Amino acid sequence: AQSVSQHNHHVILSEAASLELGCNYSYGGTVNLFWYVQYPGQHLQLLLKYFSGDPLVKGIKGFEAEFIKSKFSFNLRKPSVQWSDTAEYFCAVNARDYKLSFGAGTTVTVRA
Amino acid sequence: SAVISQKPSRDICQRGTSLTIQCQVDSQVTMMFWYRQQPGQSLTLIATANQGSEATYESGFVIDKFPISRPNLTFSTLTVSNMSPEDSSIYLCSVGQSNEQYFGPGTRLTVT
Repeated sequence: AQSVSQHNHHVILSEAASLELGCNYSYGGTVNLFWYVQYPGQHLQLLLKYFSGDPLVKGIKGFEAEFIKSKFSFNLRKPSVQWSDTAEYFCAVNARDYKLSFGAGTTVTVRA
Repeated sequence: SAVISQKPSRDICQRGTSLTIQCQVDSQVTMMFWYRQQPGQSLTLIATANQGSEATYESGFVIDKFPISRPNLTFSTLTVSNMSPEDSSIYLCSVGQSNEQYFGPGTRLTVT
């Protein structure tokens, strides 16, 4: 079974700061990788995904993530955060069978 | 992307009772999933509910406690049986389409 670890439990930033959230997974086979976001009071939304090809993927709202196969990592980045990026961020993995394994989540608080 | 609704959105129940959560999708989908998000924790897959077959449960979840129905391609129910305070969680259904998963808004259950 896959496992997913997210490096940070809670990140506090000021607006315009850069954001990087770490995600590592353990699984020996081919995986699909996802980042989901949950804004306060809203349901889980897909931020971006990686299936194959270019390891640098771009998602919605200026987010991007880089898949580094040798490091089993899929880190999320945003060059300049906004107050509206305050949310919970989840990294998730599946072994191409739709069953998602989620990381513990990272709460991001952006101070205006 | 699929649009998913859940009923009820929240409920407060007494221990020992059961609650059935409904999940409705606006399009026909083969694969549906039920997840649990306990307070302050990440999402954990309870079971996979594919139409035309018995639900398959993940380790730690059993049919007697979480019976699932999947009568057609747009609807599923999850019952939380003989509830205890430890069942207090958000329960989410999701559907798989084109290697992605879309999540419902969740049902917030509090057991007293």
